[in-house]
Amino acid sequence: EAGVAQSPRYKIIEKRQSVAFWCNPISGHATLYWYQQILGQGPKLLIQFQNNGVVDDSQLPKDRFSAERLKGVDSTLKIQPAKLEDSAVYLCASSSGGWAYEQYFGPGTRLTVT
Amino acid sequence: LAKTTQPISMDSYEGQEVNITCSHNNIATNDYITWYQQFPSQGPRFIIQGYKTKVTNEVASLFIPADRKSSTLSLPRVSLSDTAVYYCLVGFTGGGNKLTFGTGTQLKVEL
Repeated sequence: EAGVAQSPRYKIIEKRQSVAFWCNPISGHATLYWYQQILGQGPKLLIQFQNNGVVDDSQLPKDRFSAERLKGVDSTLKIQPAKLEDSAVYLCASSSGGWAYEQYFGPGTRLTVT
Repeated sequence: LAKTTQPISMDSYEGQEVNITCSHNNIATNDYITWYQQFPSQGPRFIIQGYKTKVTNEVASLFIPADRKSSTLSLPRVSLSDTAVYYCLVGFTGGGNKLTFGTGTQLKVEL
């Protein structure tokens, strides 16, 4: 079974630039999550999708972050414009059901904002 | 606000049992507690999940007391390959932020 795929693995941008991350979940998984993990901290949920609908985006900085999951499969997370404090690893995860189900994580995208 | 706290680090030796505790206030009756393991440059990996009392699988046990304000991950006979960061994850469906990861515990296993 293929795991959760993410790209790119690494990205370096200057502040005020924009960046996009892509995630392809495990086939058949209805729920998709985006997390932000700052060095030395636990992952912080940014947004949770159930199929192509948003379940929870309460911690997504909506003035600069956006995410979509068209057709209920893969997803894109965008930051525009980026700030220095956005430097982190962005993790995508998927599960077959809601949050109480086991989440499968991708390798993450390490973003450095200079 | 929902909050989960863990010890920052723990040291152990191969073959010993390790117990890592997570404190989670405001947990609701129906919230599950899940533990994940994370190696450097990798995403977290599921270890075990529980709702109440005790759950055991082939790699760990999870103990949840009656008041459910904390939970303990027990790793029997650890090896060097268990050196990693361990996170608890709680879904605070009763209010506040949902799906809150703990602060993480760096476990270091030595010979």
